[in-house]
Amino acid sequence: AQSVTQLGSHVSVSEGALVLLRCNYSSSVPPYLFWYVQYPNQGLQLLLKYTTGATLVKGINGFEAEFKKSETSFHLTKPSAHMSDAAEYFCAVTPQGAGGTSYGKLTFGQGTILTVHP
Amino acid sequence: GAGVSQSPRYKVAKRGQDVALRCDPISGHVSLFWYQQALGQGPEFLTYFQNEAQLDKSGLPSDRFFAERPEGSVSTLKIQRTQQEDSAVYLCASSSAAGTGVFGETQYFGPGTRLLVL
Repeated sequence: AQSVTQLGSHVSVSEGALVLLRCNYSSSVPPYLFWYVQYPNQGLQLLLKYTTGATLVKGINGFEAEFKKSETSFHLTKPSAHMSDAAEYFCAVTPQGAGGTSYGKLTFGQGTILTVHP
Repeated sequence: GAGVSQSPRYKVAKRGQDVALRCDPISGHVSLFWYQQALGQGPEFLTYFQNEAQLDKSGLPSDRFFAERPEGSVSTLKIQRTQQEDSAVYLCASSSAAGTGVFGETQYFGPGTRLLVL
């Protein structure tokens, strides 16, 4: 069974500072990896995803993440935080491969609440 | 185009009442997922439809939970004899994937229905 661990349920940064949100997965085969953002009282919005190809993935709003197979990690970064980045962020995985029964269902981490101070 | 919509956005039910939650996916999307998000947690998979076929209901917590998608578009999640532990946000997501999740297709989430059982 797959699992996702997000280290740190709360992260606080100053505006303009580096944002680093950590995600590690547990899976016998590297999965597809996703980062979603959730603003209060809204659904989840995809920031970026890794399926195949280049391991450094760029997403919306200046975010990027790097898939590191050896570390089973997919950490999310942004060089300079904005106030508008304050939200909850979820890392999620789904198994690769055809013929399985996952149907693409996502397994989520517990979430990290990002606070940005002026 | 229009995204995924859900109704009602908020529902208060007395313990023992039946509730029905509606999801309108993006037009033409084959795959539809339901997730349950408890307070302070990441979403957890409930069930999956490919068109009108319910191919995976392994996440439904009890036989009080029932989902349908009779015409392959709108879906309804029904909870019978609601209990306090059913209080959560129920998220619906749709994707264009044919269903095996081979290519890591993006799931588009609705805003959710917040259910409170008193």
